[in-house]
Amino acid sequence: ETGVTQSPTHLIKTRGQQVTLRCSSQSGHNTVSWYQQALGQGPQFIFQYYREEENGRGNFPPRFSGLQFPNYSSELNVNALELDDSALYLCASSLGTSGRARRTQYFGPGTRLLVL
Amino acid sequence: LAKTTQPISMDSYEGQEVNITCSHNNIATNDYITWYQQFPSQGPRFIIQGYKTKVTNEVASLFIPADRKSSTLSLPRVSLSDTAVYYCLVGDAPGNNDMRFGAGTRLTVKP
Repeated sequence: ETGVTQSPTHLIKTRGQQVTLRCSSQSGHNTVSWYQQALGQGPQFIFQYYREEENGRGNFPPRFSGLQFPNYSSELNVNALELDDSALYLCASSLGTSGRARRTQYFGPGTRLLVL
Repeated sequence: LAKTTQPISMDSYEGQEVNITCSHNNIATNDYITWYQQFPSQGPRFIIQGYKTKVTNEVASLFIPADRKSSTLSLPRVSLSDTAVYYCLVGDAPGNNDMRFGAGTRLTVKP
């Protein structure tokens, strides 16, 4: 069984640029959530996708957008990068049906983004 | 809106049992309690989940009193490799407004 993978592992961008981060969910998982984790803080929920539809969003501006593909892999796009966007971006997958499977998330290793 | 409160940090020594308590006074009837562990520069890892009383797995135990307003994660005989941040989450499903990560508890295990 393949775990959650993310690419790239590290990325350096400059302010104003756009970035796309990618995530492959664990085999069989149809729900993907994205989190932003600043240094020394807990992960902050950005949004979730379930069967290619957005299924909940945290307190992030519209320049944070996402996509989920038929194979349940996902992308996080951030436009007009700001210095405060520098963080570890985490992707987590879960089985969005019911019960414990729905409540348990499996996280990828994250993408470290640095905005200069 | 369920909210959790945990100690910011804890220290322990190898071989000791560690208990980390999480307060969640506004827990709802449908909410479960889930704990994650995170090492530096890695994603969080699921440890244990429960609804009431006691849950035990190969890694930890979770104690939940009858009123469910708090929970205690118990790590038996910790080792240096248990040094990590531990997060308590309360909610029904990931992404719901109440099932969010707080600042967590930074556990340091000393030799």
